[in-house]
Amino acid sequence: DVKVTQSSRYLVKRTGEKVFLECVQDMDHENMFWYRQDPGLGLRLIYFSYDVKMKEKGDIPEGYSVSREKKERFSLILESASTNQTSMYLCASGALQPSGANVLTFGAGSRLTVL
Amino acid sequence: GNSVTQMEGPVTLSEEAFLTINCTYTATGYPSLFWYVQYPGEGLQLLLKATKADDKGSNKGFEATYRKETTSFHLEKGSVQVSDSAVYFCALSGRRNNNDMRFGAGTRLTVKP
Repeated sequence: DVKVTQSSRYLVKRTGEKVFLECVQDMDHENMFWYRQDPGLGLRLIYFSYDVKMKEKGDIPEGYSVSREKKERFSLILESASTNQTSMYLCASGALQPSGANVLTFGAGSRLTVL
Repeated sequence: GNSVTQMEGPVTLSEEAFLTINCTYTATGYPSLFWYVQYPGEGLQLLLKATKADDKGSNKGFEATYRKETTSFHLEKGSVQVSDSAVYFCALSGRRNNNDMRFGAGTRLTVKP
């Protein structure tokens, strides 16, 4: 059974702390993504990576950075957490179909609360 | 840019009722369209997809038809079950960029026995 595994389901951090969210996939996918999910806003793309050490900004990259040192691992970093970063964070990896579209497999999510 | 609009929820139905969740899109070119489902406490799972006009995606009794003329991809099920209670997301994927994936806001469905 293929998987995307997010290291932490629930985290509580304080304002100003550095936060690492880890994501590992076992499907040998080239593409990996970080989204945040907020009520009424759906999923918004933070960053994605199409290869090791490659990254591109999504729609809301401010306040976040990412790291992809190995193909299977994609980390999201909050350098200095703020209360408006309280959210559900979803990692996904993508298999590019012959049609050219990505079909995404998601992790279970990491719910972050910043106090 | 590309975008997806889906009907706001929440939607509450009785078991065996007919379900429709509306989804319309705006896109350049010929995107692929998807429905994802998120059960409580879980990540999103692909429910069905369609990659070109007039294609019908189907899975677990759910169906959606890619309608280019109305730019729509409405989700339907003839008889819902309590186990269908979840949040449903319509999404589209463009063909030019890896990051060109857009999700709707999600529609929460609750099915009561």
